[in-house]
Amino acid sequence: DIQLTQSPSFLSASVGDTVTITCRTSQDISNYLAWYQQGPGKAPKLLIYAASILQSGVPSRFSGSGSGTDFTLTIGSLQPEDFTTYFCQQLKSYPLTFGGGTKVEIK
Amino acid sequence: QLQLQESGPGLVKPSETLSLSCTVSGGSISSTSFFWGWIRQPPGKGLEWIGNVYFIGTTNYNPSLQSRATISVETSKYQFSLKLTSVTAADTAVYYCARQTWTGRYYYMDVWGKGTTVTVSS
Repeated sequence: DIQLTQSPSFLSASVGDTVTITCRTSQDISNYLAWYQQGPGKAPKLLIYAASILQSGVPSRFSGSGSGTDFTLTIGSLQPEDFTTYFCQQLKSYPLTFGGGTKVEIK
Repeated sequence: QLQLQESGPGLVKPSETLSLSCTVSGGSISSTSFFWGWIRQPPGKGLEWIGNVYFIGTTNYNPSLQSRATISVETSKYQFSLKLTSVTAADTAVYYCARQTWTGRYYYMDVWGKGTTVTVSS
């Protein structure tokens, strides 16, 4: 199985800050990576796929980059609704696997 | 707009079989562009992919479930289902169904159900 390691697990920031979350995979997955946002008690919501393609309807302050084994999700100018949890997922091979999550908290 | 809705018992006894269904509305379950999957999330923990099914019945599973999971599809009912046998407390989780879209080059999970909580307890 392909392992995904997200860092940091927790992140404190303020409204208006720019933050970056990292996802590292245990093997080369090219750009077959997606990012999701999950609010408390809610289902995950797709933000980015193919490492850098913004899903329709997602604000442009979200961006993704990376290829191979190292990927980043950047949230520019954090808004109050962005303080929640984010997961990465590899879709290169089965079984599909997720990172452990990053919780973005208000400082 | 396509929506997914999970249904099934919220409480299952240890050693019994967990059975959930996901109803697809507002779109086709028989499209060649989609797989239909199950993902779970234990309380306070991360996401675990269980498996998926294609509309013709082809399946993929997570080996970590040691063959306890079976996913099937009934296109006439616009439903796909999950059965998980020999459950233990470790199977207590929120279970989500989701659509896995194939663009021709990339996969992603773009539509999710709201999730249903299943507790394994006697």
